[in-house]
Amino acid sequence: AQRVTQPEKLLSVFKGAPVELKCNYSYSGSPELFWYVQYSRQRLQLLLRHISRESIKGFTADLNKGETSFHLKKPFAQEEDSAMYYCALNTGFQKLVFGTGTRLLVSP
Amino acid sequence: EPEVTQTPSHQVTQMGQEVILRCVPISNHLYFYWYRQILGQKVEFLVSFYNNEISEKSEIFDDQFSVERPDGSNFTLKIRSTKLEDSAMYFCASGQKETQYFGPGTRLLVL
Repeated sequence: AQRVTQPEKLLSVFKGAPVELKCNYSYSGSPELFWYVQYSRQRLQLLLRHISRESIKGFTADLNKGETSFHLKKPFAQEEDSAMYYCALNTGFQKLVFGTGTRLLVSP
Repeated sequence: EPEVTQTPSHQVTQMGQEVILRCVPISNHLYFYWYRQILGQKVEFLVSFYNNEISEKSEIFDDQFSVERPDGSNFTLKIRSTKLEDSAMYFCASGQKETQYFGPGTRLLVL
């Protein structure tokens, strides 16, 4: 079965602290993984995709096939990073399977 | 930068009524999708559409649901006879291949 697990509903950190939002997936094939972010009252926006191996807004994510994980990291959180973060799996069949999301709250 | 647009932003309807949710995908995209998010739950896939036909649909997408691309720009989701449990945020998305870009959503409330 295809499944994405985000174990934390809420992650609360102080500005300048490191952040790691966890994502684990279950898929027997070759996964394509994404992080989407949803700022307050805005649409889901693509943040990262693992095939690009890029850093966006200071965030990075590495696919670990051994641990079936795609954790999102940022070394120094900013207040403007406060948002809902969704990990998503594309199984190659034209659909995204989403996790339940983690709300990141960065306090001053 | 081009974006996916959706109308209306909010829709309130009576149980049993038909609703049509509209989407304008990004113009050079070939793949189109509908997702929904019931309040407090995860975003769930409904249907994907490519080359003028459904390429995949979920168990949620039963006979009450249909999609159409009537004029080469709009992409619509129709719910024939709404139920209370259809109340949700409905997101349209479009893409060229593996990456999908989402619209702002339509919040549907069925009374």
